[in-house]
Amino acid sequence: SYELTQPLSVSVALGQTARITCGGNNIGSKNVHWYQQKPGQAPVLVIYRDSNRPSGIPERFSGSNSGNTATLTISRAQAGDEADYYCQVWDSSILVVFGGGTKLTVL
Amino acid sequence: QLQLQESGPGLVKPSETLSLTCTVSGGSISSSSYYWGWIRQPPGKGLEWIGSIYYSGSTYYNPSLKSRVTISVDTSKNQFSLKLSSVTAADTAVYYCARHRAGTVRLVLYYYYMDVWGKGTTVTVSS
Repeated sequence: SYELTQPLSVSVALGQTARITCGGNNIGSKNVHWYQQKPGQAPVLVIYRDSNRPSGIPERFSGSNSGNTATLTISRAQAGDEADYYCQVWDSSILVVFGGGTKLTVL
Repeated sequence: QLQLQESGPGLVKPSETLSLTCTVSGGSISSSSYYWGWIRQPPGKGLEWIGSIYYSGSTYYNPSLKSRVTISVDTSKNQFSLKLSSVTAADTAVYYCARHRAGTVRLVLYYYYMDVWGKGTTVTVSS
């Protein structure tokens, strides 16, 4: 089976850069997607296919993917970025796989 | 603007079948390149993908739930539905419906993500 590993929590100072990682075996060979979920709300797609932003997502959100780690980077972090973030890939055996989620705290 | 809305009972008894419907508005469920599916989230936990369906009826199911899941589509009503049988308390969750964007190379799926989500509906399994 294929697993995605995310840190349980990440903290970032207001205005600084947050990096949330997603680890998986040779994840660089897969397309990684990222979702933001605020309390009581449905997830929102923030990055698709490693580094693409859907319309309406600020340029402060970016993604990269190489080797065994994919990274979601949030520049100039704002209080409104506090949320849970999930990575996700398609795997031919498990099909849709989500990471366990990372809680981002903006200090 | 595409919108998805889940509907169905909020309370289901153990051993019974959970049934939910997702109504799609602002777009056609018969659009190519899109699947339509379900994801759930138990209280305080992460996301779990349940399965998805193409307008033609082709389906993908989470292997861990496959024996209990049926997803169907009604293109005339622009709706798709979820049935989960033999439910237990472990099936208590918020259930989301979502549009899935698929990418293929030589008919082999190589990326799959959810770009539009419903607001979710809470289903509790309890007697």
